[in-house]
Amino acid sequence: AQKITQTQPGMFVQEKEAVTLDCTYDTSDPSYGLFWYKQPSSGEMIFLIYQGSYDQQNATEGRYSLNFQKARKSANLVISASQLGDSAMYFCAMRVLQGGSEKLVFGKGTKLTVNP
Amino acid sequence: EAGVTQSPTHLIKTRGQQVTLRCSPISGHTSVYWYQQALGLGLQFLLWYDEGEERNRGNFPPRFSGRQFPNYSSELNVNALELEDSALYLCASSYHRDATGGWEKLFFGSGTQLSVL
Repeated sequence: AQKITQTQPGMFVQEKEAVTLDCTYDTSDPSYGLFWYKQPSSGEMIFLIYQGSYDQQNATEGRYSLNFQKARKSANLVISASQLGDSAMYFCAMRVLQGGSEKLVFGKGTKLTVNP
Repeated sequence: EAGVTQSPTHLIKTRGQQVTLRCSPISGHTSVYWYQQALGLGLQFLLWYDEGEERNRGNFPPRFSGRQFPNYSSELNVNALELEDSALYLCASSYHRDATGGWEKLFFGSGTQLSVL
């Protein structure tokens, strides 16, 4: 069964430092997509970064990079130069095809707090 | 360009009542997804609509239902509300998955906070 695991319920980081949010996934499907979303206290989900299972290079989007280690089935999010506005919930998600239908699976999230 | 819009933003109901949540996708998006985010449980997939049809359904009882209209907006209906239905309900939209099999990212609305008393 497809599953996303985020083992860090909460993380703290000092402003301007880098932080890594962990995500491991489980699927037998060779084709899948991995996403990270940010959810501030307003509730809105904000797309951050995407990695395809066949992508050779790690995805980067500004201060966000995805450390994709396929053999380990991990897709950690790295945020460089943390800002106070980065304080939010972060969700790792996986999108797979199952029996001709798409299925989306989310982790339980990691709450990131950036301290001044 | 307007993002995904959901209404209402907050809703208070009592057990046994029925509720309808609404979602308007980003212009051009044909797929709409519904998620439930209960406290401490993360996001749970509810429903996926594309081109007016239900494409996939999560592990929820039949009292959770919905539909997608010709303009691609969508409604989520929950009948016979129970206390554990209290949650943030998020709607997301994306383009239809193209012929190359490329994955499309989802764009989420701000959600509807449902409280069942």
